[in-house]
This record gives sequence, structure tokens and C-alpha cells, in this order.
Amino acid sequence: DTGVSQNPRHKITKRGQNVTFRCDPISEHNRLYWYRQTLGQGPEFLTYFQNEAQLEKSRLLSDRFSAERPKGSFSTLEIQRTEQGDSAMYLCASTARQGTGYGYTFGSGTRLTVV
Amino acid sequence: AQSVTQLDSQVPVFEEAPVELRCNYSSSVSVYLFWYVQYPNQGLQLLLKYLSGSTLVESINGFEAEFNKSQTSFHLRKPSVHISDTAEYFCAVTITDKLIFGTGTRLQVFP
Repeated sequence: DTGVSQNPRHKITKRGQNVTFRCDPISEHNRLYWYRQTLGQGPEFLTYFQNEAQLEKSRLLSDRFSAERPKGSFSTLEIQRTEQGDSAMYLCASTARQGTGYGYTFGSGTRLTVV
Repeated sequence: AQSVTQLDSQVPVFEEAPVELRCNYSSSVSVYLFWYVQYPNQGLQLLLKYLSGSTLVESINGFEAEFNKSQTSFHLRKPSVHISDTAEYFCAVTITDKLIFGTGTRLQVFP
């Protein structure tokens, strides 16, 4: 069990560029979540997958955001035409069970800075 | 809908003093409750959780939290803090599919 891995750790991009983040969950976890955390705030839910199916998307996830989990293993989060307001820490988490009483394991996050 | 309120954004305290970080939630159904800790430039680590059973839950590093259904609270306490406890603490609630977090409390421990 190597934990939840996120890459890259840091990303600086110019406004208008596209960026893609990757999350590798714990191998036996079938649920994968994406959260966004801005300075001084708690993590906000963006979307989650059960295996390869995207089951829910938050209203925070505008049309410029897209997430995939093609084979039910790793996931990618892409932001198109980045804006300065997209600057945040993007966190990935995974869990093994429905009902989430078993807790989530979080990755270290990808910090995005849009300049 | 459910939500989580952390009443204190910052809690300064001297080393070896007791501390309480407050958390209230609102939900029309039974919930699971969690406390997560976030050290600088790191991800979230699970500190403790309440699922059912005993209303007092403990972590391995001396923190404890008590679920109070009538007051819809899940306050986090430690009788004697250390410098190393300096971090951001997040209370979270879930019923089935996802965690909803509070805005966090920054615990700053001074020598």
C-alpha cells in the first residue's frame, strides 16, 4: 500500500493554458474523489468515481473542468483555459467502501498557480 | 442538506495547555463524523472518526472527540498540547457518498 499519489506536486501555468493532473489511488479502492482547497478554506467536493463511472459532479465543476477514470484505476482532472480563480490545491482521495464509514485516504495534492 | 461549522478559525494556545476545537453539524439523517489534520504543505490525515457505538472516540496521539447528538456537535479536545500539534484541523461529515468539510481551525501552539 503506497497510499494515494498525485502528480505533479506543483504546477504554475499562464492564464488561458490547459493543465492536467493525475491521481493514482490505493489499488484496491474503487471510489476516487477530487476536491479543491483554496487558502483558508476547507476542501470542497468536485466529483467522484466508482470504478470508471463518474457518479456525481459538483456545481463548482464548470464546463472547463473534466475528469476521467478510464479503467477504474488512476484518474485525471483537466482544466481548460485556466483562470486566476482556478489557483488552488487540488486533492484526490480514495476509499474502499460505499458509505464512507471506512474513511478516505488523501493524496498530498497538486498546487496550481495561474499567473 | 448537511453542513459543518467550525466556530473558531484560529486557536492560539501555549504548550502543555488543554485545547478544544469546536465543530457543529447540521443534518436531517444519521451521519458519520471525522476530524482530519493537515500539516503545512501536506495532504489531509485522518485523526479520528465516529461511526456508531461509544460517543467518545480517541486518536493515538492523545486527541479525543465526543459525539453529542442533542447538540449536533463533535468537538475535538486534547488535555495537553505539544508544539508538534500546530496544524490545520478540519471537521467533516458524511452520510453516504462524500465528505463535506468545515472551513478549518488553525491550531497554533506556542512554547
